[in-house]
Amino acid sequence: GQQVMQIPQYQHVQEGEDFTTYCNSSTTLSNIQWYKQRPGGHPVFLIQLVKSGEVKKQKRLTFQFGEAKKNSSLHITATQTTDVGTYFCAGTGYKYIFGTGTRLKVLA
Amino acid sequence: KAGVTQTPRYLIKTRGQQVTLSCSPISGHRSVSWYQQTPGQGLQFLFEYFSETQRNKGNFPGRFSGRQFSNSRSEMNVSTLELGDSALYLCASSLDGGANYGYTFGSGTRLTVV
Repeated sequence: GQQVMQIPQYQHVQEGEDFTTYCNSSTTLSNIQWYKQRPGGHPVFLIQLVKSGEVKKQKRLTFQFGEAKKNSSLHITATQTTDVGTYFCAGTGYKYIFGTGTRLKVLA
Repeated sequence: KAGVTQTPRYLIKTRGQQVTLSCSPISGHRSVSWYQQTPGQGLQFLFEYFSETQRNKGNFPGRFSGRQFSNSRSEMNVSTLELGDSALYLCASSLDGGANYGYTFGSGTRLTVV
């Protein structure tokens, strides 16, 4: 069946370091969306990418959609303690599906 | 505008009992999905309802069921509770099943089975 895997599963970084999480789908996606879930909170929608090769930025966050529309990445430049949380990708293949998530811990 | 409202926020039940969780979506959203999240785990998809019809279902036993009413409000029921059902249950609503606008999540119901 359709699967969306994210790597790494966990990442600990020192504050100020960069961080990247990768999202890989077993099927072509019509779009990719990213969510952030703070500890103790619920997932919050961040952004959507639709076009092949699309790149979008939100302050220190850069989102990219692969050319084949089967993978995506989220890169955070100079992490801050406020970036702590779990980042999920989600996309629509033959159904809407969430990725497995990457938990980010930022050490001050 | 009001967000997605889930009630109750916290619940403690005894093994073998049943429980009903409620979700009120954002006004105008016809798609409601339910997810189970255990500590350190991802989002396990339970089911999605759109205009009162179940469109998709995850790989959960038949003890997990749901429904959606004509006003788009949704309920989820778990019968014969097991200890392993202890989790955060999240409801999310969307205009179009997430395809173009993503999902807005509620704060969840934290269920503890003892």
